Amino acid sequence: DVKVTQSSRYLVKRTGEKVFLECVQDMDHENMFWYRQDPGLGLRLIYFSYDVKMKEKGDIPEGYSVSREKKERFSLILESASTNQTSMYLCASSPFPGQGDEKLFFGSGTQLSVL
Amino acid sequence: AQTVTQSQPEMSVQEAETVTLSCTYDTSENNYYLFWYKQPPSRQMILVIRQEAYKQQNATENRFSVNFQKAAKSFSLKISDSQLGDTAMYFCAFIYYGSSNTGKLIFGQGTTLQVKP
Repeated sequence: DVKVTQSSRYLVKRTGEKVFLECVQDMDHENMFWYRQDPGLGLRLIYFSYDVKMKEKGDIPEGYSVSREKKERFSLILESASTNQTSMYLCASSPFPGQGDEKLFFGSGTQLSVL
Repeated sequence: AQTVTQSQPEMSVQEAETVTLSCTYDTSENNYYLFWYKQPPSRQMILVIRQEAYKQQNATENRFSVNFQKAAKSFSLKISDSQLGDTAMYFCAFIYYGSSNTGKLIFGQGTTLQVKP
């Protein structure tokens, strides 16, 4: 089974801190994604990457950056955390289309609280 | 812009009964897939069912089935013989392949389903 692992389940940080959320997948997937989940808003795409060192902005990239130095690892960075970034963060991965497995595999989420 | 709308924030159903969750979407794409994901209290997103847009036949997975109306851009989920373990938040989503061919998954707002004993 595909495994997508997020390094922390719960995280508490202070306003202004630099925060790293790590995600690792073990299925050699090309695509990786970061979403945030907020009540009533569903999941919104922050950034995605379709190859090592490649990244594209999603719908809400402001205040975030990402890093993908290795194929299996995709990091989300909050350069200076703010209280409005308190949320659940979900990482996901998927293979390239055309391989008959067009779907996303998700990690179990990181609940981030910024105080 | 691609959007997915779930108009029912919360629903409840008695155990063993049938419930239908609604979803509409908007896209100008022709090549896409539709999904229902389930998120139980454990927070792990679980794929419930998948539908290819080019297939007219509605997908089924055991007690779960969809009613896919492509012209109306509607994709509802029917859960038959509801079980307590079906209690979860359900997300409707669709994936399309843009210029970078990455397959971005667009989600609805979610519907919280409670199955009552």
